Amino acid sequence: DSGVTQTPKHLITATGQRVTLRCSPRSGDLSVYWYQQSLDQGLQFLIHYYNGEERAKGNILERFSAQQFPDLHSELNLSSLELGDSALYFCASSVGWGESQPQHFGDGTRLSIL
Amino acid sequence: GQQVMQIPQYQHVQEGEDFTTYCNSSTTLSNIQWYKQRPGGHPVFLIQLVKSGEVKKQKRLTFQFGEAKKNSSLHITATQTTDVGTYFCAKGGSQGNLIFGKGTKLSVKP
Repeated sequence: DSGVTQTPKHLITATGQRVTLRCSPRSGDLSVYWYQQSLDQGLQFLIHYYNGEERAKGNILERFSAQQFPDLHSELNLSSLELGDSALYFCASSVGWGESQPQHFGDGTRLSIL
Repeated sequence: GQQVMQIPQYQHVQEGEDFTTYCNSSTTLSNIQWYKQRPGGHPVFLIQLVKSGEVKKQKRLTFQFGEAKKNSSLHITATQTTDVGTYFCAKGGSQGNLIFGKGTKLSVKP
């Protein structure tokens, strides 16, 4: 058990819809990272928050947004969903931020767009 | 660019055989991390290498960081079925995030 909690585990929805994925980091971790994992693209970094502030953006679409709340949990919002958004979405957390920080991953949310 | 290249993409071995995956970067790395993802699971941090030429061992796993800090390898001795999964290397990005290689998927035939 990594200590990172993601909900829901599975999400099935239709094109054009909007969903919210939730992540609670490990106790004491201030950084939250979101990744998208699809078969052909590997683990793609989306966005990083540290102590409530956005620190870095990766390959995140404009239809996607995220935030980190004062209690440090984070939400990833995906809107105007397309078939290609079907993927496994992981949240990871670390104590601080920076390339030397090991990241601890949650179990992921599997998103299926019909 | 910022990618790390990992080879091979797939490796099928007989139980008891050795396995090696390689990670290469065009730029000098300050450090490299390795993760393992079991089928249906999530990536799990294995180790971080920082020093040039560093070698670290975890039981049957040996991790190396190249002298020029541009490549790294993970070697598993005498694979077991529990070693099945995808092994990722990851390097630091320009914004403090991690950039993952595409991984090497290991399958072990009993």
